[in-house]
Amino acid sequence: DQQVKQNSPSLSVQEGRISILNCDYTNSMFDYFLWYKKYPAEGPTFLISISSIKDKNEDGRFTVFLNKSAKHLSLHIVPSQPGDSAVYFCAASARNQFYFGTGTSLTVIP
Amino acid sequence: EPEVTQTPSHQVTQMGQEVILRCVPISNHLYFYWYRQILGQKVEFLVSFYNNEISEKSEIFDDQFSVERPDGSNFTLKIRSTKLEDSAMYFCASTERRAYVEAFFGQGTRLTVV
Repeated sequence: DQQVKQNSPSLSVQEGRISILNCDYTNSMFDYFLWYKKYPAEGPTFLISISSIKDKNEDGRFTVFLNKSAKHLSLHIVPSQPGDSAVYFCAASARNQFYFGTGTSLTVIP
Repeated sequence: EPEVTQTPSHQVTQMGQEVILRCVPISNHLYFYWYRQILGQKVEFLVSFYNNEISEKSEIFDDQFSVERPDGSNFTLKIRSTKLEDSAMYFCASTERRAYVEAFFGQGTRLTVV
């Protein structure tokens, strides 16, 4: 039962442009959403989060948008840099566990 | 900066053998988790642990798996009789509180069952 879905397995973006990574969820009980960045052979690294009471959270080049009615969140990276190339996981939290999406592999082309 | 540490980084074991994966969570964190990622697949929740007992576990976490906090710092995952399909990256994570916080992950242990 995939409660958190990232439907795009990969994304390529030109350096300097905007990267938009999308995530959908099914469980209306989720109250906290997070994005993690993962490099090969490393653990996921926390990037940015948003509580369900907000619809936007911004941290430097990273902005997360939450649309509760659509059960959709997105991560915007502006401007994209080659160092942003990694796998990005969306995660949702409820009770005592985090549910992860399958990840989107972002490649930023110099 | 505090971090979650996992040992070993890579473990090779024969099918049917027992393995113990070790984790040292961040010292003031109270909630602990194990996740795994089979190569090319999603990161999957295994178990959460709080106050010296399992809070939640997934279907993956069957009788072959157990967790323990043997002392004040370590958090271990034991697989009693490993199967080939247990080969994966295993990530330990910890959080300070239950809600509205991010989980800090360790670097992972690559388990290879041969």
